[in-house]
Amino acid sequence: AQKVTQAQTEISVVEKEDVTLDCVYETRDTTYYLFWYKQPPSGELVFLIRRNSFDEQNEISGRYSWNFQKSTSSFNFTITASQVVDSAVYFCALYPVISSGSARQLTFGSGTQLTVLP
Amino acid sequence: ETGVTQTPRHLVMGMTNKKSLKCEQHLGHNAMYWYKQSAKKPLELMFVYSLEERVENNSVPSRFSPECPNSSHLFLHLHTLQPEDSALYLCASSQDFNGGLAVIETQYFGPGTRLLVL
Repeated sequence: AQKVTQAQTEISVVEKEDVTLDCVYETRDTTYYLFWYKQPPSGELVFLIRRNSFDEQNEISGRYSWNFQKSTSSFNFTITASQVVDSAVYFCALYPVISSGSARQLTFGSGTQLTVLP
Repeated sequence: ETGVTQTPRHLVMGMTNKKSLKCEQHLGHNAMYWYKQSAKKPLELMFVYSLEERVENNSVPSRFSPECPNSSHLFLHLHTLQPEDSALYLCASSQDFNGGLAVIETQYFGPGTRLLVL
């Protein structure tokens, strides 16, 4: 069974602060994909990044960066110089590659509500 | 980005009503999904359609009935719902096969239908 834990339920920061959202996962599969999605108040889940288990390189995209550490089963997300528009719920998700049976289960964490105050 | 659209965006229905949720994807994908998002719960996968065939049904009550007439459209027919079925229902799509080979691609989500059952 897969599990994704986002221990931070809510985080509040002041604009321009850096903030890191934690994600810890559990899976027995050796091959899997990890995702981050953003859900603004409008409700739509917006895809941010996807990373496969063989690629532990950290990634940076503008103010966003991701730190994947297989040794600690973590895939943390950092927003640098946060802005009010970053306020949203952020979800981490795991997609295991299973050789047989159901292979389409995206397992989501419970989400972290980020509030960026002006 | 209007790759995946959902209608209606909001729906209020009584327990004896019959209604349908509609999802349409404009991304050329061949897999579509229904998810349920309740307050304070992780996203729950309900149904998966791949190449218009239902391949996943996560123990969803029969009062929810999906229909996938073609690879671009997905419906969720609702009847005799319960108040605990009130939630945000999200549709997603992805590319499940590419040239006959199973692939794992990112799921893209629609804005959701916020359902209230009275």
